[in-house]
Amino acid sequence: DGGITQSPKYLFRKEGQNVTLSCEQNLNHDAMYWYRQDPGQGLRLIYYSQIVNDFQKGDIAEGYSVSREKKESFPLTVTSAQKNPTAFYLCASLEYPYGYTFGSGTRLTVV
Amino acid sequence: GQQLNQSPQSMFIQEGEDVSMNCTSSSIFNTWLWYKQDPGEGPVLLIALYKAGELTSNGRLTAQFGITRKDSFLNISASIPSDVGIYFCAGVTGANSKLTFGKGITLSVRP
Repeated sequence: DGGITQSPKYLFRKEGQNVTLSCEQNLNHDAMYWYRQDPGQGLRLIYYSQIVNDFQKGDIAEGYSVSREKKESFPLTVTSAQKNPTAFYLCASLEYPYGYTFGSGTRLTVV
Repeated sequence: GQQLNQSPQSMFIQEGEDVSMNCTSSSIFNTWLWYKQDPGEGPVLLIALYKAGELTSNGRLTAQFGITRKDSFLNISASIPSDVGIYFCAGVTGANSKLTFGKGITLSVRP
């Protein structure tokens, strides 16, 4: 079955560490997206990529980095510069006009 | 920037009741989407609307694309406990466009 796989489901980060969240899709979609979700805040766009080897900052890119070396993969790194990284992170891909397909999310907690 | 307005933030209904949710915008969208998110999971697409005035049903769910292209509503009839979750509206302006999301409405259903 086609879909988006995010891993791990739960991730714990120590202060000052970088961590990388994985997002893989087998839907053959060009565009992929990373969102952060906090209670009461809705979904906020971190980064997106419309094509391999290209990506753009979203609304809250500070403290995050991404790469898009393959169409199937769009990993997100949460760097130590992100001061409040505890959140639920969602990856999505887009097939216009049908909308996004989301992964099941990664919950990141700073310990 | 574009914003979608969903209110109230939370709704509480009795099992068996109908509920209606609105989503409004100051901008025009070409596509309206409604998603549902269960706790700890990614949002799942419920209904997609592609033409102004379009009325679409999916089981007990009915959604409409507003004539002005600046609003949409979702109606859930005869609610059941598994309808509990967060309901997001989203708008799309064109191909490879990122989605604009509302902040979501948390629905609670009392048995």
